[in-house]
Amino acid sequence: KAGVTQTPRYLIKTRGQQVTLSCSPISGHRSVSWYQQTPGQGLQFLFEYFSETQRNKGNFPGRFSGRQFSNSRSEMNVSTLELGDSALYLCASRMGAGLEQYFGAGTRLSVL
Amino acid sequence: GQQVMQIPQYQHVQEGEDFTTYCNSSTTLSNIQWYKQRPGGHPVFLIQLVKSGEVKKQKRLTFQFGEAKKNSSLHITATQTTDVGTYFCAGPDGGTSYGKLTFGQGTILTVHP
Repeated sequence: KAGVTQTPRYLIKTRGQQVTLSCSPISGHRSVSWYQQTPGQGLQFLFEYFSETQRNKGNFPGRFSGRQFSNSRSEMNVSTLELGDSALYLCASRMGAGLEQYFGAGTRLSVL
Repeated sequence: GQQVMQIPQYQHVQEGEDFTTYCNSSTTLSNIQWYKQRPGGHPVFLIQLVKSGEVKKQKRLTFQFGEAKKNSSLHITATQTTDVGTYFCAGPDGGTSYGKLTFGQGTILTVHP
């Protein structure tokens, strides 16, 4: 069974640009959550999607957005990039409520 | 909002020594999950505890969930170099139906051979 796949693995962008990250969950998993990981702030929740609906959102500015498609694949977008957006962005999928999350390898974003 | 504190932040041990990390939540948790992240890797699920006072073992790892369901611990007996990594506890925020996990800051474990 394939795991959670995130693309691309690495990205380098400059301030002001926008970026789109992709996540393909484990087959059969309908919930996808996104997290930002930085050395200073640790793992912080961005948002969760279930059946194409955003169910919860973390404390991030509106520049961070996401969506989920009918095949459960998800994308997150960050507009007007700032230096502080440099981080490892992790996607996690799960089978159902209350169950553990399976993380992808992440996309490492560097903003110059 | 919910806060999850984890101590210690760093732990250096000699191979063969024991290791413990502690996790405390500001709110009662429906369950608590533990993850391990190897250097350069991503978090990997270890275990989930649901019941008050629950204790679970995985080989040399022992996980406990407090009676009040606000604290938890992970104990590793006789550490090995393969145990190196960051150990996170995480609690669901907003109910079990939601995929929002609040993570502790993690304990970075270094094992010296």
